[in-house]
Amino acid sequence: QKEVEQNSGPLSVPEGAIASLNCTYSDRVSQSFFWYRQYSGKSPELIMSIYSNGDKEDGRFTAQLNKASQYVSLLIRDSQPSDSATYLCAVTGMNRDDKIIFGKGTRLHILP
Amino acid sequence: GAVVSQHPSRVICKSGTSVKIECRSLDFQATTMFWYRQFPKQSLMLMATSNEGSKATYEQGVEKDKFLINHASLTLSTLTVTSAHPEDSSFYICSASHRATLGGYTFGSGTRLTVV
Repeated sequence: QKEVEQNSGPLSVPEGAIASLNCTYSDRVSQSFFWYRQYSGKSPELIMSIYSNGDKEDGRFTAQLNKASQYVSLLIRDSQPSDSATYLCAVTGMNRDDKIIFGKGTRLHILP
Repeated sequence: GAVVSQHPSRVICKSGTSVKIECRSLDFQATTMFWYRQFPKQSLMLMATSNEGSKATYEQGVEKDKFLINHASLTLSTLTVTSAHPEDSSFYICSASHRATLGGYTFGSGTRLTVV
């Protein structure tokens, strides 16, 4: 059974600080890794994707991937109250039509 | 960018009736559509994968006779919840794969189903 594990939280971070979200996955052949943000009652919104080891930065977001450790993380710099949401880690295989396996999500709360 | 339109956004139905949820890919062809269900404070659970012109593949524990999936064209997939019961009340979301989308997957806006 392929699994994606995340700490459910809630993770509370002061406004302006760095929020660090972590995720591990069980399937070694996974190739594509995603972070989605989901506000309550809304569908997920893709915020970052990463495919190779190392860091990938996009604005205030940095995704980090370590395939040897089967670990992927998301850093949010200068956290804003609008970043308060559930963050879903997702993993998929090599093919475009491979199904995505989602973690249960980490609830992030930015303290004003 | 790639957009998936999902309707209705919210539906209330009586126990024992059927409800159809539609997902349409706008401006692109969705050869594969994924259907998810999400209970409150839970993660997305994949129910089934539908491919245009063929039978859907259901995940373990999902009743294929209860959750009917039709993917008759490259732009339309439907999920019908038959003989709905209160325990079927949930948030249903579709997702389509598309090369042009960062990460390759676009989600519909979701359908909140309440069975009374």
